[in-house]
Amino acid sequence: GAVVSQHPSRVICKSGTSVKIECRSLDFQATTMFWYRQFPKQSLMLMATSNEGSKATYEQGVEKDKFLINHASLTLSTLTVTSAHPEDSSFYICSARQGGSAGELFFGEGSRLTVL
Amino acid sequence: GIQVEQSPPDLILQEGANSTLRCNFSDSVNNLQWFHQNPWGQLINLFYIPSGTKQNGRLSATTVATERYSLLYISSSQTTDSGVYFCAVGVTGFQKLVFGTGTRLLVSP
Repeated sequence: GAVVSQHPSRVICKSGTSVKIECRSLDFQATTMFWYRQFPKQSLMLMATSNEGSKATYEQGVEKDKFLINHASLTLSTLTVTSAHPEDSSFYICSARQGGSAGELFFGEGSRLTVL
Repeated sequence: GIQVEQSPPDLILQEGANSTLRCNFSDSVNNLQWFHQNPWGQLINLFYIPSGTKQNGRLSATTVATERYSLLYISSSQTTDSGVYFCAVGVTGFQKLVFGTGTRLLVSP
């Protein structure tokens, strides 16, 4: 299967700082990537759809000024959590689709963010 | 939006037992995937199965899109099968995947 890599896997930061998470498709090009968030013992919730060369599409209730998404190339999307607070602590997972609009999605390893 | 419900929510098995996990969805889909989330959070792709039946070793899956459900079969379960199983569906006309509620499986020796 295709490989999606995410970095960092764990990050601890102080309240008020910003954190950037990178998501790369290693062996295929992805015009669209997706960012999910998962709280303990819950399912994955889609935060936003990242579109190469254009603005991201955010799900209802997700603050676009808090979670900045940039998709500058066909293999890299970044999520920046700005002015992080303890309630932003969560597991963030990115994914990329291989193939057409209904193609298979592959996921990165996830990034566990802890805000002190 | 589409609703995706999985059952059972929790399942405890003895090693060697078989099990069936179910995924019901409320709208037409053009994509359905099954994942296993390991204890470290990594999502492992099990099946890409918008329709029909597939098998991979001890695992197999069937999707009946017209009746809006999919089943994941695990045979001769092993302790390494423990974890959370998610189905996720893609609604026709949209690119995103919507995740189900998950089934937490524990296989004891």
